[in-house]
Amino acid sequence: ETGVTQSPTHLIKTRGQQVTLRCSSQSGHNTVSWYQQALGQGPQFIFQYYREEENGRGNFPPRFSGLQFPNYSSELNVNALELDDSALYLCASSLVQQGMGEAFFGQGTRLTVV
Amino acid sequence: RKEVEQDPGPFNVPEGATVAFNCTYSNSASQSFFWYRQDCRKEPKLLMSVYSSGNEDGRFTAQLNRASQYISLLIRDSKLSDSATYLCVVSPYNQGGKLIFGQGTELSVKP
Repeated sequence: ETGVTQSPTHLIKTRGQQVTLRCSSQSGHNTVSWYQQALGQGPQFIFQYYREEENGRGNFPPRFSGLQFPNYSSELNVNALELDDSALYLCASSLVQQGMGEAFFGQGTRLTVV
Repeated sequence: RKEVEQDPGPFNVPEGATVAFNCTYSNSASQSFFWYRQDCRKEPKLLMSVYSSGNEDGRFTAQLNRASQYISLLIRDSKLSDSATYLCVVSPYNQGGKLIFGQGTELSVKP
């Protein structure tokens, strides 16, 4: 196991609602990234947090937001949910900011929007 | 054009076969390269990093051609347990470790 845990594992929400997904990073890791994986696709980068600040963002609208806490755990918030937001959301933690460290993924949160 | 493109698959091979996955990337400033493996409904896991000189780990060989912006993964003597989706991954220079994934190629090894 990677030591990266995500909660909840599954979630069903209604279109227009808001959702918060949580991630506890591996001990000693200071960087957390979030990815969205639609069925049959590779994961897509949402954003990354390093030392509690956003450090890079992918092509996702502002209704996708996040936080990183002093203990390096993280939250992903999605407002005004749309049907297309249904996907597996993956959190990855790593130690080094500049991409030289291996990223360890959590098991993911499977979000279904109905 | 997608930033990372892979063979669409799926690949269906018998046990013991050799199978090759190909991947191209569009950003010449890419710094690091990886192959990840993802089992059905699980998280991706790092299979191996890919270096310019090529590298091997048991039955797995990865190669990188920076001039052609091409990455490959060769699996020899396929096992049933190799059945999974293989993701080609690129990390651009100076973008904080952001990973760009290909869409993945599904491999099914049959007895």
